[in-house]
Amino acid sequence: EAGVVQSPRYKIIEKKQPVAFWCNPISGHNTLYWYRQNLGQGPELLIRYENEEAVDDSQLPKDRFSAERLKGVDSTLKIQPAELGDSAVYLCASSTRDRGRDGYTFGSGTRLTVV
Amino acid sequence: AQSVAQPEDQVNVAEGNPLTVKCTYSVSGNPYLFWYVQYPNRGLQFLLKYITGDNLVKGSYGFEAEFNKSQTSFHLKKPSALVSDSALYFCAVREGPPGGYQKVTFGIGTKLQVIP
Repeated sequence: EAGVVQSPRYKIIEKKQPVAFWCNPISGHNTLYWYRQNLGQGPELLIRYENEEAVDDSQLPKDRFSAERLKGVDSTLKIQPAELGDSAVYLCASSTRDRGRDGYTFGSGTRLTVV
Repeated sequence: AQSVAQPEDQVNVAEGNPLTVKCTYSVSGNPYLFWYVQYPNRGLQFLLKYITGDNLVKGSYGFEAEFNKSQTSFHLKKPSALVSDSALYFCAVREGPPGGYQKVTFGIGTKLQVIP
């Protein structure tokens, strides 16, 4: 079984430029999460999807961040425009319908560097 | 608000010795507790979880963790460390039922260094 697939693995952009990350979750996993992991920190939730519905986006900086999960499978996370402080690893994870009892499966992440 | 603390930035242990990575938590209700491991340039991998039942839970790669409600701790342990265990370890907590969805809160991570 393929795991959670993310692309690209690395991205370097200049500030004020747009950037997008893509995630393909494990087949059959209804719940998809985007996390941001700053250097030396644990992951912090940005947004959670149940199928195609964003059910928790309270931590998503909506002035510059957006996400979508069309058809309830793949998801993209976009930043426009990027700021220096957005440099981090962006992790996608998926799980079966989130009743809280299961561990998440994470992708390898996208390391974003904004210069 | 729920929180999790990993008091040690780094733990060093000799290969073959037992290891412990500490975690304490704070939730208003019953906790669901998790441990994840992160190898360099990789995503987090689920190791084990405590939901209910036995206080000692066993997980992947020979790791286990002990839930202690009175001390609000969930320390990760392994009887004999391997060099390949060297990685970042994250403890995570969420509040269990009743109630609806609760997000998972991760600790800041503890770097485990196993010395040959």
